[in-house]
Amino acid sequence: LAKTTQPISMDSYEGQEVNITCSHNNIATNDYITWYQQFPSQGPRFIIQGYKTKVTNEVASLFIPADRKSSTLSLPRVSLSDTAVYYCLSGGAGSYQLTFGKGTKLSVIP
Amino acid sequence: EAQVTQNPRYLITVTGKKLTVTCSQNMNHEYMSWYRQDPGLGLRQIYYSMNVEVTDKGDVPEGYKVSRKEKRNFPLILESPSPNQTSLYFCASSLYKGGSYEQYFGPGTRLTVT
Repeated sequence: LAKTTQPISMDSYEGQEVNITCSHNNIATNDYITWYQQFPSQGPRFIIQGYKTKVTNEVASLFIPADRKSSTLSLPRVSLSDTAVYYCLSGGAGSYQLTFGKGTKLSVIP
Repeated sequence: EAQVTQNPRYLITVTGKKLTVTCSQNMNHEYMSWYRQDPGLGLRQIYYSMNVEVTDKGDVPEGYKVSRKEKRNFPLILESPSPNQTSLYFCASSLYKGGSYEQYFGPGTRLTVT
């Protein structure tokens, strides 16, 4: 079962780029890497997903190195509204059971 | 609107009094699961279901039961709640099993067991 490790917390000033890295121990060949965002009193919501190299959408970028043992979520020019907990998840099409990381609490400072 | 709903949103109960938290999705998803969220421990999967009448244990199944009689519903049952089950619970669904499919989460149920 794939396990993920990520920093407990990070602080950033408004307008800066934030990079949150997750380690994916035992990632399997067909596992995808997914990141979720959670605001207080809400359920997590999907941000971005990738398999290898780089993926970009309107919210974030995801960088996955060739060995796929880690991933980096990049949030460009963060604002106060990006203050949230970010979870990484690795799992493939054959994964019945899903194991999230413990989450990284991002605090954006004015 | 595509969504996952949970009821109740808040519940305070006493030790040993059976309770059920309902979960329903309107997206015709096959895969559904329950998580509990505790400070410092993140999201931990309790049970999951690959389809109707097919369920299995996640990482922390002790003290919980589930059933999947209909595709849209996946209730979580605590037959004899204890204080260590005080937590924030989330139901989630996805089109199919596996981490490659986006998980849609409900709004959460905050349970307190005294």
